[in-house]
Amino acid sequence: EIVLTQSPGTLSLSPGERATLSCSASQSVSSSYLAWYQQKPGQAPRLLIYDASTRATGIPDRFSGSGSGTNFTLTISRLEPEDFAVYYCQQYTSSWTFGQGTKVDIK
Amino acid sequence: EVQLVESGGGLVQPGGSLRLSCAASGFTVSTNYMTWVRQAPGKGLEFVSIIYSGDYTSYADSVKGRFTISRDNSKNTLYLQMNSLTAEDTAVYYCTRAVGGNQFDHWGRGTLVIVSS
Repeated sequence: EIVLTQSPGTLSLSPGERATLSCSASQSVSSSYLAWYQQKPGQAPRLLIYDASTRATGIPDRFSGSGSGTNFTLTISRLEPEDFAVYYCQQYTSSWTFGQGTKVDIK
Repeated sequence: EVQLVESGGGLVQPGGSLRLSCAASGFTVSTNYMTWVRQAPGKGLEFVSIIYSGDYTSYADSVKGRFTISRDNSKNTLYLQMNSLTAEDTAVYYCTRAVGGNQFDHWGRGTLVIVSS
């Protein structure tokens, strides 16, 4: 099983700042089969990025994904108030597993 | 518009059974990969099961032999039959569509299952 480790656990930032979230895989994620999801309290997760760098429908361009192999990054260029949430990475190259999440909260 | 609506959650005793349903609209369940994902209270996301076209299925090791995923094409509905439930199965259960078996592009709001005596 591919284990995904997200860092940091919590990121405390102010609106307007840049957020950089990391996701490290225990084995190579082939074909960049990695996605990012956003979850707000009491809501279902929402797909943000798939195939490591492709934005899902309706996702603003301040969200971007990058990486390959075992190291992936989600970047939020300028945090908006609605971006404070928990973010999960997920791989789908070998079964389906999620990282433990990174919480982005207001500083 | 794609919509997924789960139902069937509730309180069940350890060792009991429950069947969750997920009614889909805006697309056809039978021609898509469909999954169940769960989230224990205050915890992260855990893949539970997937059904492919042709009724091929796969399960997380934690539920293999106890849970069964299925679908009723005439009702456009996905199911999860859960048997031999334990406290560790307590979670919100989400139904999702998986594009080509890959990313999960649509999620329901979830249904809460509590296993407790």
